[in-house]
Amino acid sequence: AQSVTQLDSQVPVFEEAPVELRCNYSSSVSVYLFWYVQYPNQGLQLLLKYLSGSTLVKGINGFEAEFNKSQTSFHLRKPSVHISDTAEYFCAVRDTDSWGKLQFGAGTQVVVTP
Amino acid sequence: DAGVIQSPRHEVTEMGQEVTLRCKPISGHNSLFWYRQTMMRGLELLIYFNNNVPIDDSGMPEDRFSAKMPNASFSTLKIQPSEPRDSAVYFCASSLEDKQPQHFGDGTRLSIL
Repeated sequence: AQSVTQLDSQVPVFEEAPVELRCNYSSSVSVYLFWYVQYPNQGLQLLLKYLSGSTLVKGINGFEAEFNKSQTSFHLRKPSVHISDTAEYFCAVRDTDSWGKLQFGAGTQVVVTP
Repeated sequence: DAGVIQSPRHEVTEMGQEVTLRCKPISGHNSLFWYRQTMMRGLELLIYFNNNVPIDDSGMPEDRFSAKMPNASFSTLKIQPSEPRDSAVYFCASSLEDKQPQHFGDGTRLSIL
């Protein structure tokens, strides 16, 4: 079984500043990793995913994440945030051999202020 | 292309009533997932269908909950009888295959009084 820990429940950040959201996972098997974003009153939208290959993954809206196997981390970053990036961000992990069951973290609320 | 469509968007009802939530997955997707989101428990997978067949329903909280997928383009999640602790946002998601990224609907916000 896997587990996902998002270390920060809320991250306040000023507009145009960089942001990093931390995600650590534990698993006894190989995993795929995902970041989803949830805007108010909407469903989750896939930001990016790591399946294999390069450990630096680029996603939509200028976000990127780096898979670090030794540290079992998959931190999300954006060099310069906009007001519109205010949302909740979820890290998720899935066993590569399983049918697709995602284990989600508790989420990190990002609040961007001018 | 249309995304995952859920209805209703909001539902308010009294405890003891039957509640039916509906989901239309993205056309061509063969995997469908129902989730529940609450402040206390976060996102929980309730049930997963593949090719209209329930594969894993271990997340269904109790017998009051049931889910069906009569065809590839429609699924329901039913709660009977409903209780206040069932209040949550319920999401449906679909994927092209079970190992492909999941696409979420906008959810149904359910309030049981």
